[in-house]
Amino acid sequence: NAGVTQTPKFQVLKTGQSMTLQCAQDMNHEYMSWYRQDPGMGLRLIHYSVGAGITDQGEVPNGYNVSRSTTEDFPLRLLSAAPSQTSVYFCASSPSGRVEQYFGPGTRLTVT
Amino acid sequence: AQRVTQPEKLLSVFKGAPVELKCNYSYSGSPELFWYVQYSRQRLQLLLRHISRESIKGFTADLNKGETSFHLKKPFAQEEDSAMYYCALSRGAGTALIFGKGTTLSVSS
Repeated sequence: NAGVTQTPKFQVLKTGQSMTLQCAQDMNHEYMSWYRQDPGMGLRLIHYSVGAGITDQGEVPNGYNVSRSTTEDFPLRLLSAAPSQTSVYFCASSPSGRVEQYFGPGTRLTVT
Repeated sequence: AQRVTQPEKLLSVFKGAPVELKCNYSYSGSPELFWYVQYSRQRLQLLLRHISRESIKGFTADLNKGETSFHLKKPFAQEEDSAMYYCALSRGAGTALIFGKGTTLSVSS
C-alpha cells in the first residue's frame, strides 16, 4: 500500500489564484480529513469526510472547498488564494471504527 | 470545550538526560489520547496511544484521568529524538483529532 499520498509537495501561488491540493489513500479508509499546520498553532482541522458523498466543516473552513466522490480521493480546493493561506497542508485518513489517523507527507503552500 | 494543552513550545535537553513532554486535556467524556511525532519536514507519525500502554522508541505515556494529563516520558534522550511532538485527543471513531500546539524537543550532545 502507498498509504496516504498528497500532491504537489510544494506550490507557490499568487494572491487570487485557485488550485486543488490532491489527497488519495489506498487503504479503503472511510474517514478523511484536511489539516493546516502553522508555527505555534499546531494542526487545525479544515474539512473532513466520514465517507463518499459526505463532507463537513472543521475549525478553519473559510476559503476552502472539498468534495468526496470516491472513497479514495479527498481533494482540497482553494478558491481564491490569500497570503493567510500560506501553510503546510496535511491530509489524514482513518479506517471505519478506528480512531488513529494516518497522515500524508504534506503540501507546502506559499501564497505571495 | 475540548482542548489539548502542551505548555512548552521548546524543550532542550542533553543526550542521556530524562525527558518529559507535558500534555493536559479538557474533555467531559472518555477520550483516547495519542502522541504523534514529526521529524524534520516529514509527515506526522503515530508514536503512542494510551490504550495500548506500550513503549515505542523508549517513550512511554500514562493517562492520568485525575490530573487530565498524558505526559510523554523517556528516561534517556537520544539525538535522534529531536523532533516536534504533538499530543492529540480523539472523541471517537469518525471524528477529527484535536491537537495541542506541539512541543519541539531538541536533544544535543
